[in-house]
Amino acid sequence: GQNIDQPTEMTATEGAIVQINCTYQTSGFNGLFWYQQHAGEAPTFLSYNVLDGLEEKGRFSSFLSRSKGYSYLLLKELQMKDSASYLCAVVGNMLTFGGGTRLMVKP
Amino acid sequence: DGGITQSPKYLFRKEGQNVTLSCEQNLNHDAMYWYRQDPGQGLRLIYYSQIVNDFQKGDIAEGYSVSREKKESFPLTVTSAQKNPTAFYLCASSPHLGGGDTQYFGPGTRLTVL
Repeated sequence: GQNIDQPTEMTATEGAIVQINCTYQTSGFNGLFWYQQHAGEAPTFLSYNVLDGLEEKGRFSSFLSRSKGYSYLLLKELQMKDSASYLCAVVGNMLTFGGGTRLMVKP
Repeated sequence: DGGITQSPKYLFRKEGQNVTLSCEQNLNHDAMYWYRQDPGQGLRLIYYSQIVNDFQKGDIAEGYSVSREKKESFPLTVTSAQKNPTAFYLCASSPHLGGGDTQYFGPGTRLTVL
């Protein structure tokens, strides 16, 4: 089975940097996704990591350590529009989602 | 424009009634999925389909049924057997089942049972 843990909520200030962690325990691992979901809307793809290391994409970066069962999403130069939930999802036989981290960006 | 559509966006149902949620995609994807999301929680898999005329139960299939008669369409029926159907329902598709294929989501249907 899969067990995926993320913090429930985080708060950060506009312009700052925030790191959202995700730890997982799985019977099989084929990669890890991060999705962004604004309230009442569909999740949208942010990143996919299958190998260890950091993947950078503009203001967003995602890191994976398979040996530690650990990933994080790093958001730089926070903007108010980044207020959303961030979902970590692990690829085993199927895609399993964590509970999501609700990020609130304050002025 | 390619994408996934779900209708309706909001749906109200009386207790004891069955209701069908629509999901259509024109991305030419083989795999389609239905998820349920409760307030403040992640997504839980209801059913998925790898190909036309084939579908499998996910983690919370009880009280739901699906069909996959066409590649483009994967409707979900919420039956009266579903004890707590009020939720946000999301349909998704990917080129193939599982693996590292990105899943693309529709806008969702918010179902409220009165």
